[in-house]
Amino acid sequence: GAGVSQSPSNKVTEKGKDVELRCDPISGHTALYWYRQSLGQGLEFLIYFQGNSAPDKSGLPSDRFSAERTGGSVSTLTIQRTQQEDSAVYLCASSPPGREGREQFFGPGTRLTVL
Amino acid sequence: AQSVTQLDSHVSVSEGTPVLLRCNYSSSYSPSLFWYVQHPNKGLQLLLKYTSAATLVKGINGFEAEFKKSETSFHLTKPSAHMSDAAEYFCVVSPMNRDDKIIFGKGTRLHILP
Repeated sequence: GAGVSQSPSNKVTEKGKDVELRCDPISGHTALYWYRQSLGQGLEFLIYFQGNSAPDKSGLPSDRFSAERTGGSVSTLTIQRTQQEDSAVYLCASSPPGREGREQFFGPGTRLTVL
Repeated sequence: AQSVTQLDSHVSVSEGTPVLLRCNYSSSYSPSLFWYVQHPNKGLQLLLKYTSAATLVKGINGFEAEFKKSETSFHLTKPSAHMSDAAEYFCVVSPMNRDDKIIFGKGTRLHILP
């Protein structure tokens, strides 16, 4: 079946512009995560959606970052007034419901470059 | 609260020698544990997972990991390193409470010396 998809795959923008990154999780997956990975660094957790629960936004680095998940499926990560330090690969992952073995399935990522 | 600690940010081994990547976890419940691998400029790939069945878990590419509850460890090993194993490895804890998020370790970069 189809995996997690993300769009665009690459985004180049100018400092100060807003960007929207999209994630389509695997159908039926209730949990959705956004991560950021800067060059040569590990994964930085941004936000977590689980079903209809309030999202865990504890990883968002500033109020310029926001995310929503419509209808429990597609998610959009929005970065307002982009800064050069926002340049990174933004990864989305989803995981199925259930108590055990909730592995994450990752999308290919969106590479964001802020000039 | 859950947490995961990868004890080494970088590990270097010679080709053909054993690999050991260390991971310790903290969890209020019996968690599921995973190792993911990320090759340069590639996406994240599941290497192996532990979900309360056998404590010794075998994964892809000859890797395995042993769950040791008494030591709260889930170290990743491979008997003989290959050049293609050079990558970033992430240890991950997935709590039993599905309202708790999955937590990634900071990663260990494995270098293979010729």
